[in-house]
Order: sequence, then structure tokens, then C-alpha cells
Amino acid sequence: DSGVTQTPKHLITATGQRVTLRCSPRSGDLSVYWYQQSLDQGLQFLIQYYNGEERAKGNILERFSAQQFPDLHSELNLSSLELGDSALYFCASSVAPAGAYEQYFGPGTRLTVT
Amino acid sequence: TQLLEQSPQFLSIQEGENLTVYCNSSSVFSSLQWYRQEPGEGPVLLVTVVTGGEVKKLKRLTFQFGDARKDSSLHITAAQPGDTGLYLCAGAKTSYDKVIFGPGTSLSVIP
Repeated sequence: DSGVTQTPKHLITATGQRVTLRCSPRSGDLSVYWYQQSLDQGLQFLIQYYNGEERAKGNILERFSAQQFPDLHSELNLSSLELGDSALYFCASSVAPAGAYEQYFGPGTRLTVT
Repeated sequence: TQLLEQSPQFLSIQEGENLTVYCNSSSVFSSLQWYRQEPGEGPVLLVTVVTGGEVKKLKRLTFQFGDARKDSSLHITAAQPGDTGLYLCAGAKTSYDKVIFGPGTSLSVIP
């Protein structure tokens, strides 16, 4: 158990819909990272927040947005969903804003868009 | 273009065999990490290497960081079915940069 929690574990929804994925970081960690993992794309970095502020942005689509709240939990919002958005979405947390500090990954949310 | 490349992409071996997987880049990294991911679960950190030429051992796993800090290898001795998983290398160019993940090597150890 990494100490990072993600909900829901599974999500099935239709194209065009909007969903929200939730992540609670490990106690004491200020950084939250969001990743998308699909079979053909590997682990793709989406976005990072550190202590409530956006720290780094990766290959995140405009249809996707995220935020980190004062209690440090984070939400990833995915809208106008397409079939290609079906993937595993991981949240990871780390103590530092950057550098090679260990990232602790949550169990992931498996999103299926039908 | 992948900043970190990993090879081979897939590897299937018999229990008891030895194997080496590689992580390469044209860029210098201040540190490299290796993660292992089991199907349906999040990656778990195995090791961080920070010094060029550094060798770290974790039971049957040996990690090496290249002298020029552009590449790394993971050697597994006497592989076991429990070693099956996706091995990801990840690196940060400086202590101010975010970690970048490679595409991974999918290892299958057959009993």
C-alpha cells in the first residue's frame, strides 16, 4: 500500500460525457502528478501540482483539467470523452516539487468510454 | 521523440535465466530511477542511481548507471515468475526538473 488513494477504481461512461477522478496523496507529500497509461502509449505524464499550484504540464488535452485543493487532494476532470480516452489513470505523490524523489503511485482508475 | 528509450520492448524468458534490460538517452540525467509495475497496479520504485558508474544491488537485481549518466541497465539473475512485470526507467535532468518516464520493458518469466 503506497498510501495514495484513488477513486473510483473503475469507471464506465459514454462518449461525450464528463467524469472526475479523485486522488489523495500520501501524508506529507505536497506534489501530485497525473498520468495516463494506455497499451499503445505507455505512461504519459499529464500534469503536476505542488502545494496547490500547477507546477508542470505534459501531454494534457484541453478537454482535461485538474486542480489541487487546500487539503492537497487533487481531481482530474475529463470532459467530452472520446473512445480514445479509455485508459488507466494514475495519480502519484511526492514530497518535493521536482527532481528524482520517489513518486508513490496510487492503484489507478480504469476508465472505459463506450 | 522519447527522451528515454528502453530495450527490449518485450522479453519472455524461462525461470532461472538471466537477463538485462537497458535504458538509454542522448541527454545527461542527474539521476535515473527504475520502477516495476505489475498488471493493473501502479509502478513501484526499485532504485535511484545518481552517480555516474554507480552500481546498486537489490537481491537478484543489479542496477548500473552509465559513466556519462546517459544510460542505465538492470540485470536480473535467476529470474523468477514473480519478476514478471513492466520495468520503467525514469530520469530527471536536474533537481529542478520533473521526472520523465521511458516506455518500459515488459518482462514475462515463464515457470
